[in-house]
Amino acid sequence: EAGVTQSPTHLIKTRGQQATLRCSPISGHTSVYWYQQALGLGLQFLLWYDEGEERNRGNFPPRFSGRQFPNYSSELNVNALELEDSALYLCASRSGTSGGAGADTQYFGPGTRLTVL
Amino acid sequence: SQQGEEDPQALSIQEGENATMNCSYKTSINNLQWYRQNSGRGLVHLILIRSNEREKHSGRLRVTLDTSKKSSSLLITASRAADTASYFCLTGGGNKLTFGTGTQLKVEL
Repeated sequence: EAGVTQSPTHLIKTRGQQATLRCSPISGHTSVYWYQQALGLGLQFLLWYDEGEERNRGNFPPRFSGRQFPNYSSELNVNALELEDSALYLCASRSGTSGGAGADTQYFGPGTRLTVL
Repeated sequence: SQQGEEDPQALSIQEGENATMNCSYKTSINNLQWYRQNSGRGLVHLILIRSNEREKHSGRLRVTLDTSKKSSSLLITASRAADTASYFCLTGGGNKLTFGTGTQLKVEL
C-alpha cells in the first residue's frame, strides 16, 4: 500500500510569487491535513480537509489556502510569498472523521521544502 | 503559542539507557499521540493514548497520560542509536490539533 506522497520535494520561489504544493493521501483515506514546520517555530497546524470541505484551519493568514479534490488529493496554495514562509510543509492523511481532528493516527508524507528568496 | 510544551528540549544518552521525555498541554483533549521525526523528514506515528487511558505500551515504548496534570510522558527503554530523532506530542480536542515543541534525542554508541 502506497503511503502519503507529496510533490514537489523541493520548491524555490521568490518573494511575492505563488507556490502550489500537492498531496496524495493513502488510498481510502478521506481526511488530509497540512502542517508547516519552520525553523524556530515548530510544527504548526495549517488546514484540515475532509470529503472535499475545509473542516478547520490554524492561525495563518488567508493567503494560505487549499482545496481537496474528489479523489481526496489536496493542494496547498501560498500566495504573495514572504521570506518567513520558507519551511517544510507536511501533509498527513487519516481515514474517517469521527471523533474530531485528532481522533486517529495520522500518516505523514515526506514533505515539501519551500524556500523563498 | 503552541499548546504543547515538551521537555527536555534536547537529550543525549548512551545506547542501552532509557530516555524519558515529557509533554504538557493546556486544554482538554480527546487523545494524545507521539510522533518521531528523523532529520527533518516526515513524521512517523509511534503511539496514541486516549483521554480515558492512563498508560500504554508498544514494544520498547511506554506512554503515560495524566489528564489532571495535563501531561504525558514517553519512555523509550534500552535505547539504540537508531532512536536518534526528534519526538513530538500531538494533542487533539474537537477540531483543534496542536504539536508540542519537540524533544531532540541523541543516542550515542
